Amino acid sequence: ETGVTQTPRHLVMGMTNKKSLKCEQHLGHNAMYWYKQSAKKPLELMFVYSLEERVENNSVPSRFSPECPNSSHLFLHLHTLQPEDSALYLCASSPLAGIGEQFFGPGTRLTVL
Amino acid sequence: QQQVKQSPQSLIVQKGGISIINCAYENTAFDYFPWYQQFPGKGPALLIAIRPDVSEKKEGRFTISFNKSAKQFSLHIMDSQPGDSATYFCAASMDSGAGSYQLTFGKGTKLSVIP
Repeated sequence: ETGVTQTPRHLVMGMTNKKSLKCEQHLGHNAMYWYKQSAKKPLELMFVYSLEERVENNSVPSRFSPECPNSSHLFLHLHTLQPEDSALYLCASSPLAGIGEQFFGPGTRLTVL
Repeated sequence: QQQVKQSPQSLIVQKGGISIINCAYENTAFDYFPWYQQFPGKGPALLIAIRPDVSEKKEGRFTISFNKSAKQFSLHIMDSQPGDSATYFCAASMDSGAGSYQLTFGKGTKLSVIP
């Protein structure tokens, strides 16, 4: 595997379910990010981790819970979501000594019924 | 408040023509300006990027023009091809601390190159 991978690629869940999205980066980067991409809004930054510490949390509802156990893996735990949370969730990573470039995974298409 | 404004929302160009997408930003703390290309079902892919101390950068058929005083930058795709049909996002980056960066994206431009 190369680059940034995400699983699952598609997820359908009910509002009472609990699920998790997984991201893995094979680039040796030290910062990882979760973004939300929905049809009518720009890509929205949700969470930032650097060296496994959360750096930023952009006022995301608590029904989204991130976890970064090491610099290669990032999770987004989901519970009691709303239909408006349906979107493409993208993971990205960047090198510690970089200039701001971020590399994205293919995303998880989430549908909340 | 949208900090990066992108236009047009959609663009149709004939094969061989020039595609031009424009972006404007507000925050002078941004110090890196990438463009991303996204195909349906894929994540955004870094296409080309520029730092504010440079006015132009060219990579193959893709050129970024940057105007620091006007706080504007644009992507030019020369000799546009049907394979260039995708959604293009401009972005602006700033250091968010601890070796991480915050990217603020424009809303995207859907480019269609017709034969």
